[in-house]
Amino acid sequence: GNSVTQMEGPVTLSEEAFLTINCTYTATGYPSLFWYVQYPGEGLQLLLKATKADDKGSNKGFEATYRKETTSFHLEKGSVQVSDSAVYFCALGGDNQGGKLIFGQGTELSVKP
Amino acid sequence: SQTIHQWPATLVQPVGSPLSLECTVEGTSNPNLYWYRQAAGRGLQLLFYSVGIGQISSEVPQNLSASRPQDRQFILSSKKLLLSDSGFYLCAWSRWIKAFFGQGTRLTVV
Repeated sequence: GNSVTQMEGPVTLSEEAFLTINCTYTATGYPSLFWYVQYPGEGLQLLLKATKADDKGSNKGFEATYRKETTSFHLEKGSVQVSDSAVYFCALGGDNQGGKLIFGQGTELSVKP
Repeated sequence: SQTIHQWPATLVQPVGSPLSLECTVEGTSNPNLYWYRQAAGRGLQLLFYSVGIGQISSEVPQNLSASRPQDRQFILSSKKLLLSDSGFYLCAWSRWIKAFFGQGTRLTVV
């Protein structure tokens, strides 16, 4: 069945460091891919999305490129801030997947000043 | 605007007591609705999924049940809570590639 695998956390970085959170997926067809973020004490928010191969989603300095050949959707940011500390979830879904959203296990990011 | 309401925000219940968590959606029609659980230190686990009124798919065997009495209402229930039911429960809706989450309910079973 469909699944999403993320790198395990927690990830601890210093401010202004480069961030990569790996995400790979297994799915039939061509799902849409998402990154969600959960800040402390808050609900999940959509961070960025990509709906087809080679699409790049971007928001708030974060980017992820839909790589069909490697079935990956890695999240990157060139210079993290303390305010980026949160849990990040990779997900796949869309109407061609029966509408279901399938999430990875989440990766906790902690950015130190 | 599109919003999702989930309540209560926190709940402490004794073992063996019943549970009812409610979620309502505004600003869309015929959404896909979900209940997820996020156990401490773990990721999101899909519990139930609904594509329409009265249509519920259970993703994992468990002590919980779900119902969708109206198009934009999704209820998570249990007749008798277990300690292992403690966790953070999230309601969500999706339509096409949009997805929205409620603020979640922190359930502690004591």
